[in-house]
Amino acid sequence: GENVEQHPSTLSVQEGDSAVIKCTYSDSASNYFPWYKQELGKGPQLIIDIRSNVGEKKDQRIAVTLNKTAKHFSLHITETQPEDSAVYFCAAHSGYALNFGKGTSLLVTP
Amino acid sequence: NAGVTQTPKFQVLKTGQSMTLQCAQDMNHNSMYWYRQDPGMGLRLIYYSASEGTTDKGEVPNGYNVSRLNKREFSLRLESAAPSQTSVYFCASLRTGGTGELFFGEGSRLTVL
Repeated sequence: GENVEQHPSTLSVQEGDSAVIKCTYSDSASNYFPWYKQELGKGPQLIIDIRSNVGEKKDQRIAVTLNKTAKHFSLHITETQPEDSAVYFCAAHSGYALNFGKGTSLLVTP
Repeated sequence: NAGVTQTPKFQVLKTGQSMTLQCAQDMNHNSMYWYRQDPGMGLRLIYYSASEGTTDKGEVPNGYNVSRLNKREFSLRLESAAPSQTSVYFCASLRTGGTGELFFGEGSRLTVL
């Protein structure tokens, strides 16, 4: 089955700095790569996604890049704000369901 | 906009007791999922239902059963709870024919003593 590795597990940045989270996947048939944000006590929510026919996608301060050859994709958050503090999960769609990475706990300090 | 609703939000069980986690979605989605979340382990798929009347095992199905009662409801049952099933459980439904976005409930925190 699909194996999704996510790094780092924790990340601390100062407000205004950029944050980058990286994921790799194993199944070359995977074609959909979403990123979810989970705030404390809540369920994960989709923040951005990318499909395998696209190399990069941006939405305001967040962007995702995909390298299909290397089987890795990354989340970039620019101009971080305290409200960006949360756990972020990458995922890859393979077959019948999403397979999630283990999560990155991002802390943005003022 | 209720989205995905899970009950109960919190539950404490003794080893060997049984219970059912309930999940309902009001978005007319075909596919529904149960995940568990443990520290450092991410989200792991327990069972899923691609459509009404079908259910299939995910990555960690042992010790669980599911029922897709109708299009709206998908329940998860623990027949004989074990401490290893202490976790936060999330139900999710899949946006039909769209981008593949999963909509999650707020979670059910289960402790087995």
